[in-house]
Amino acid sequence: GENVEQHPSTLSVQEGDSAVIKCTYSDSASNYFPWYKQELGKRPQLIIDIRSNVGEKKDQRIAVTLNKTAKHFSLHITETQPEDSAVYFCAASIRNAGNMLTFGGGTRLMVKP
Amino acid sequence: GAVVSQHPSRVICKSGTSVKIECRSLDFQATTMFWYRQFPKQSLMLMATSNEGSKATYEQGVEKDKFLINHASLTLSTLTVTSAHPEDSSFYICSALRLKDGSYGYTFGSGTRLTVV
Repeated sequence: GENVEQHPSTLSVQEGDSAVIKCTYSDSASNYFPWYKQELGKRPQLIIDIRSNVGEKKDQRIAVTLNKTAKHFSLHITETQPEDSAVYFCAASIRNAGNMLTFGGGTRLMVKP
Repeated sequence: GAVVSQHPSRVICKSGTSVKIECRSLDFQATTMFWYRQFPKQSLMLMATSNEGSKATYEQGVEKDKFLINHASLTLSTLTVTSAHPEDSSFYICSALRLKDGSYGYTFGSGTRLTVV
């Protein structure tokens, strides 16, 4: 089955700096790649997603890039703020093949004021 | 927007008892529901996939007789943890597959913190 690796496991940045989280996936058939932000004890919240027919997507301070050849995708957060501190998960799924999401191990992002 | 209501949010039960967790899609039909378990400081691990009207598909290592999943209607899926033990203490969360306009997405429930004492 699909295997998603995520790095780094923890990331500490200064407020205003950028943060980059990277994920790799194993199944070349994966075609949907969402990123979730999870605060302690809460449900994961979708912050951005990308489908395999697109190489990059941006939404204000958040962007995601996808390299299908290398089977990796990255989350970029610019101008980080303390409220960006949370655990971020990448995930991958294959449409019409179960559609289940396989999650990466998570990255704990800490933004220092 | 699409909402999945999950109850209870927290439950404490004695070892050996059973606990039922419900996930209800409020404004859409959830033909497929995924059940995840998340231990502290770990990722979400898929336990099983349920499709309305059929038996659930369990991931390797998940005991189907211990974690009973029922998806009898398009708006309700339940997970029952039978004969719970302390090692079953975890955060359980459901996720409904949403199909719309030729595309798809996922709506998560709010999660259930299970503590077995």
